[in-house]
Amino acid sequence: KQEVTQIPAALSVPEGENLVLNCSFTDSAIYNLQWFRQDPGKGLTSLLLIQSSQREQTSGRLNASLDKSSGRSTLYIAASQPGDSATYLCAVSLRGTSYGKLTFGQGTILTVHP
Amino acid sequence: DAGITQSPRHKVTETGTPVTLRCHQTENHRYMYWYRQDPGHGLRLIHYSYGVKDTDKGEVSDGYSVSRSKTEDFLLTLESATSSQTSVYFCAISESGYPYGYTFGSGTRLTVV
Repeated sequence: KQEVTQIPAALSVPEGENLVLNCSFTDSAIYNLQWFRQDPGKGLTSLLLIQSSQREQTSGRLNASLDKSSGRSTLYIAASQPGDSATYLCAVSLRGTSYGKLTFGQGTILTVHP
Repeated sequence: DAGITQSPRHKVTETGTPVTLRCHQTENHRYMYWYRQDPGHGLRLIHYSYGVKDTDKGEVSDGYSVSRSKTEDFLLTLESATSSQTSVYFCAISESGYPYGYTFGSGTRLTVV
């Protein structure tokens, strides 16, 4: 059974700092890995999707990397802002299962203070 | 969220009553999912659909049923609500094929008293 772990569970940083969120998964046979953002009381917003053949994806100040062999992904946030405060979730779609079902980590709660 | 809406947004119901949550999409995506989100458990898959009238169970399907009579609508029914089903329910849609990019609805907060 695929298990996804996110470390740290919570992170508090001052504005402007660069930071890294970690995600690990137990089964490396994945279709893709996705990073989502969730604001309190809201749904999930897709940030980045890394296909199994890719090593990284970038969107603005966000960069996600994928190392399938070690079962790890990192989300790098550059020059953090208070508006980045949210819960960040990673999820994997397991190769060999059908229909894009995702297994989620429990998330990292990020607080960026001014 | 653009292209996917859930209703109701909030609901309080009594133990033992049936409850139906609705997910509606305008993206014509083939795949639809119901997840629940609980503290300490994260998001877990309840049921999913890979086409009209084609559905299957997820990780936590006991006590839930689903129906999909049209591409755009995916209904989740709690046959007889229990307090353990108090949760936030999210519907999601994905592209029907690799790499399965996801879009989530805004969620339904259900309280069973």
